Amino acid sequence: ETGVTQSPTHLIKTRGQQVTLRCSSQSGHNTVSWYQQALGQGPQFIFQYYREEENGRGNFPPRFSGLQFPNYSSELNVNALELDDSALYLCASSLDRNTEAFFGQGTRLTVV
Amino acid sequence: AQKVTQAQTEISVVEKEDVTLDCVYETRDTTYYLFWYKQPPSGELVFLIRRNSFDEQNEISGRYSWNFQKSTSSFNFTITASQVVDSAVYFCALSEAGRGTDKLIFGTGTRLQVFP
Repeated sequence: ETGVTQSPTHLIKTRGQQVTLRCSSQSGHNTVSWYQQALGQGPQFIFQYYREEENGRGNFPPRFSGLQFPNYSSELNVNALELDDSALYLCASSLDRNTEAFFGQGTRLTVV
Repeated sequence: AQKVTQAQTEISVVEKEDVTLDCVYETRDTTYYLFWYKQPPSGELVFLIRRNSFDEQNEISGRYSWNFQKSTSSFNFTITASQVVDSAVYFCALSEAGRGTDKLIFGTGTRLQVFP
């Protein structure tokens, strides 16, 4: 059983650019959530996808968007990057809603 | 409002000491889940435990134990005979069932350093 994998592991972007982060969920998991973790803080919920539909969103602006594909992998897109978007982005998959979430190793995004 | 408070920012202990990490939560829901995750320097959040609000029985798993007390809204985590490999940031989290989105609300974490 493969775990949650995220790509890339590190990324440096310039302010104003767009970025796409990818996540392969654990085998058999239909729910994917994305979190942003600023340095020294706890992760903050961005949104969740369940069976390819958005299933809840945290307090993030519309320039944060996502997709979930039929194989339940997922993408997080961020447009018009700002310096404050620099953070560790974590993807978590779960077998279904309200079950344990298993996290990937994260993508560290630096915006300069 | 939902909130998780981990008042201890950083704890340092010497190997073999016992250490307790505190977690206090706030929720208006009667049905919710509580979690503990470990985050080593690699960054990945490692799942440790999930507990639902109707199960107040304490749990022990090897050197780890958890004390859930609804009366004080606390879900504390104890590591017995700590080891250097336990050094990490530990997060307590809350999830409210029945709201359609089981998002995790995390505390700010407690950094545990275990010295040899």
